[in-house]
Amino acid sequence: DGGITQSPKYLFRKEGQNVTLSCEQNLNHDAMYWYRQDPGQGLRLIYYSQIVNDFQKGDIAEGYSVSREKKESFPLTVTSAQKNPTAFYLCASSMVAEKGYGYTFGSGTRLTVV
Amino acid sequence: GESVGLHLPTLSVQEGDNSIINCAYSNSASDYFIWYKQESGKGPQFIIDIRSNMDKRQGQRVTVLLNKTVKHLSLQIAATQPGDSAVYFCAENKGYSTLTFGKGTMLLVSP
Repeated sequence: DGGITQSPKYLFRKEGQNVTLSCEQNLNHDAMYWYRQDPGQGLRLIYYSQIVNDFQKGDIAEGYSVSREKKESFPLTVTSAQKNPTAFYLCASSMVAEKGYGYTFGSGTRLTVV
Repeated sequence: GESVGLHLPTLSVQEGDNSIINCAYSNSASDYFIWYKQESGKGPQFIIDIRSNMDKRQGQRVTVLLNKTVKHLSLQIAATQPGDSAVYFCAENKGYSTLTFGKGTMLLVSP
């Protein structure tokens, strides 16, 4: 079955550590996105990529980094510069980068700082 | 599961009632709108979408209405069931290739 897979489901990070969240899709979608979700704040865009080897910052990119070396993969690294990383992270993909297409979401990764 | 939202607007209905969830969007340049359903601890699922050249679109048990004059979007769910309990988000494209999401409304359905 085609879909988008995020791993791990739960992740714990110590202060000062970088951690990488995985996102893989086999939908042959061109565009991929990372959103952060906090209670009561909806989804906020971190980074997005419309094509391999290219990506753009979203509204809250500080403290995060991404890469898009393959069409299927869009990993997100939460760096030690992100001061409040505890949140639910959602990866999504869409068929084309043009406006007017809905996203398919993964099941999310819950990151907690310990 | 874990809550996806605290202090969200909440709509409580009885099983079998019709539900109406409202959303005010912000940008007159938006020409594509979409509703998602998110159950606790899961990723959002597509429900229905609508483009700005339409006022109404129907799916299975769901209808989306778009009023561009007042920048208002609504989702109607017919014969609401306990399985419809979730957080519902509207999203707009603001003329760009990315979607901007609202804060969500929690729907609680009592048997």
